[in-house]
Amino acid sequence: AQSVTQPDIHITVSEGASLELRCNYSYGATPYLFWYVQSPGQGLQLLLKYFSGDTLVQGIKGFEAEFKRSQSSFNLRKPSVHWSDAAEYFCAVAPRGAAGNKLTFGGGTRVLVKP
Amino acid sequence: GAVVSQHPSRVICKSGTSVKIECRSLDFQATTMFWYRQFPKKSLMLMATSNEGSKATYEQGVEKDKFLINHASLTLSTLTVTSAHPEDSSFYICSATSGTLRYEQYFGPGTRLTVT
Repeated sequence: AQSVTQPDIHITVSEGASLELRCNYSYGATPYLFWYVQSPGQGLQLLLKYFSGDTLVQGIKGFEAEFKRSQSSFNLRKPSVHWSDAAEYFCAVAPRGAAGNKLTFGGGTRVLVKP
Repeated sequence: GAVVSQHPSRVICKSGTSVKIECRSLDFQATTMFWYRQFPKKSLMLMATSNEGSKATYEQGVEKDKFLINHASLTLSTLTVTSAHPEDSSFYICSATSGTLRYEQYFGPGTRLTVT
């Protein structure tokens, strides 16, 4: 069965420092890959997605993610964190093909930003 | 971008009563809507997938008689929690997509349900 693992439940980072959130997946074939951010009182917002092509994907809010097939990973990075980046981050996968819409989420990583 | 709303944002109901949660796509027609449940400090668990005009497809372990889903129009899906119990208290989130938004789901802000 497919699964998504985010090994870090919490990460605390200082404002201005770099951030990397880990995501590993277990799937029969390379799925579609997504990162979402959830802020209190707001819906999940898509940061970026990978379908095919260039394995380094640029997203919104200065985030990027790199797909590594050999490691079954899709880690999210940001070079310099802002206080507004404090939120919950979810990695998600969806199967390719007709059922591509069905998302499986990782457990989430809560990011705390220190001043 | 595509906007999805949910109503109400919070609801408190008594055990044994039913409560309806609405999910609306405001600026696009959603051929498919999804309902998720999120426990505190936990991830989102897909409950069901609903396609406009057809019966919802429930995930394993989700009671379809308890969580009634209706997707009667291209902009509205409803989730009714019937005979609610305290263990049904949770955060319910919907998302919507369509053929023109391939593989990208737009999420509502969620509904906090508390059953007393």
